[in-house]
Amino acid sequence: NAGVTQTPKFQVLKTGQSMTLQCAQDMNHNSMYWYRQDPGMGLRLIYYSASEGTTDKGEVPNGYNVSRLNKREFSLRLESAAPSQTSVYFCASSVGTVLYEQYFGPGTRLTVT
Amino acid sequence: TQLLEQSPQFLSIQEGENLTVYCNSSSVFSSLQWYRQEPGEGPVLLVTVVTGGEVKKLKRLTFQFGDARKDSSLHITAAQPGDTGLYLCAGEGDMRFGAGTRLTVKP
Repeated sequence: NAGVTQTPKFQVLKTGQSMTLQCAQDMNHNSMYWYRQDPGMGLRLIYYSASEGTTDKGEVPNGYNVSRLNKREFSLRLESAAPSQTSVYFCASSVGTVLYEQYFGPGTRLTVT
Repeated sequence: TQLLEQSPQFLSIQEGENLTVYCNSSSVFSSLQWYRQEPGEGPVLLVTVVTGGEVKKLKRLTFQFGDARKDSSLHITAAQPGDTGLYLCAGEGDMRFGAGTRLTVKP
C-alpha cells in the first residue's frame, strides 16, 4: 500500500502563478485534509473534506481552493500564488473526523518568489 | 477556537536523560492526540487519549491526559537518539495542532 501520496514534492512559483497540489490515498478513507506547516507554527488546517462530496474551510483557507475529485483524491489549488504561501503542504486522510488517526503524506515544499 | 500551547519549543538533551513536554489549552477537549514528525516526513500518530486522568504507555513514552481534559504531557524515559523529532499535539474537534516541541537527543 502506498498510503497517502502527494505530487509534486518540490515546486517553485513566481508571484501570481497558479498551481494544483495533488493528493491521493489508497486506504478507502472517508476524510481528507490539507495542512500547511511553517516554522514555529505547527500544522494549520487549510481545508478538509469529511466525506466524498463535501468540503469545509479550516483555520487558514484564504487564497486556496480544494476539490474532492472522488473518494481517493483531494486537490489543493492556488489561483494566484503569493510569497506568504511559501510553506510545506501536507495532505492527510482518516477513516472519519472523530477520534481517528490521520495518515499524512510526505509533503510538498512550495516556494513562491 | 481551541488553542494548543506546547512547551518547551525546543529541547536538546543527552542520551539516557528523561524529559517531559507539555500541551496546554484553556479549552476542554474530548480527546487529544500526540504525533511525532521526523525531518522531511509527515507526522505519525503515537497515541490518542480520551478520558480525563488517563495514562497510556508506549514503551519508554508515557502520555497523560489532565483530569480536566485541558492539558496533556508526554514523558520519555532514558531518551535515545531515535526519539529525535518534532512532537505535536492535536485536539479533536477542529483538527488544530500545537506548534510542537522539537526534541534533539545527542548520543
